[in-house]
Amino acid sequence: EVQLVESGGGLVQPGRSLRLSCAASGFIFNDYAMHWVRQAPGKGLEWVSSISWDGAGTVYADSVKGRFTISRDNAKNSLYLQMNSLKTEDTALYYCVKDGYSAYDFSWFDPWGQGTQVIVSS
Amino acid sequence: EIVMTQSPATLSVSPGERATLSCRASQSVNSNLAWYQQKPGQAPRLLIYAASTRATSIPARFSGSGFGTEFTLTISSLQSEDFAVYYCQHYYKWPPLTFGGGTKVEIK
Repeated sequence: EVQLVESGGGLVQPGRSLRLSCAASGFIFNDYAMHWVRQAPGKGLEWVSSISWDGAGTVYADSVKGRFTISRDNAKNSLYLQMNSLKTEDTALYYCVKDGYSAYDFSWFDPWGQGTQVIVSS
Repeated sequence: EIVMTQSPATLSVSPGERATLSCRASQSVNSNLAWYQQKPGQAPRLLIYAASTRATSIPARFSGSGFGTEFTLTISSLQSEDFAVYYCQHYYKWPPLTFGGGTKVEIK
C-alpha cells in the first residue's frame, strides 16, 4: 500500500522559513515524479510544485516561485519543500502527492498524503 | 495558463438521482484531465484520469467524458457516501497544473 506521510508544518511568523518533509513507502519512489499541492482553509486545491524522478526537472506556481524549493532524496524515499519568506497567504494544508503515471512528465495526482498544516501569522 | 472552470458551484441532488458536473478548460487540454473527490476532513481521492478512465477501486457509477475544452463527471445514482466536493485538474501544458474551483454535491 502506498503511504505518504507529511511532517514539518507548524505556526511560523511572516518572513520566516519552514521545511516540509514527506516520507514515502509502498512503491518504488524513484519511478515517479512527485508534487506538493495546498489547500487554504475553506478553499479549493492549489498546485504548488512538482519534481521529476531524478530531481532534474522542477516547476513552481507563480505564487511561490523564488521563495519555495522542491527537492527529493531517492535514497531516503523522501520529498521536501523548503519554504522561505513565508506570507500569510501561504497558510494552508500542504499535501504530498505521488504522480499517477510518470517519472519525467507531470500528470494526475494519486495518491495523496493526509497533509501537514502550515500557519503563517504574527 | 490554462484556466479550469467548474459548474455549478453547488449541486443539490437526492440520493439515487443522477448528478452531472461540468468542467471547462480555457483552451484545449485534449484528454489530459482528471477528477477528484474530497470529503470533509479528508485528502482528495482520484476518481478519473485521461478524461474517462476510472481509477482503481472507483465504482462504476462514476463516469467521465469529454475532450478538448468540455468535460463531464457523471454519478449515475448518488449514494450517501458520494456527497462531497469534486475537482477537475488538467495536466496538459504546464506549469501550472491547475484545478477547477470545485463543485459541492449536497443532499437535496
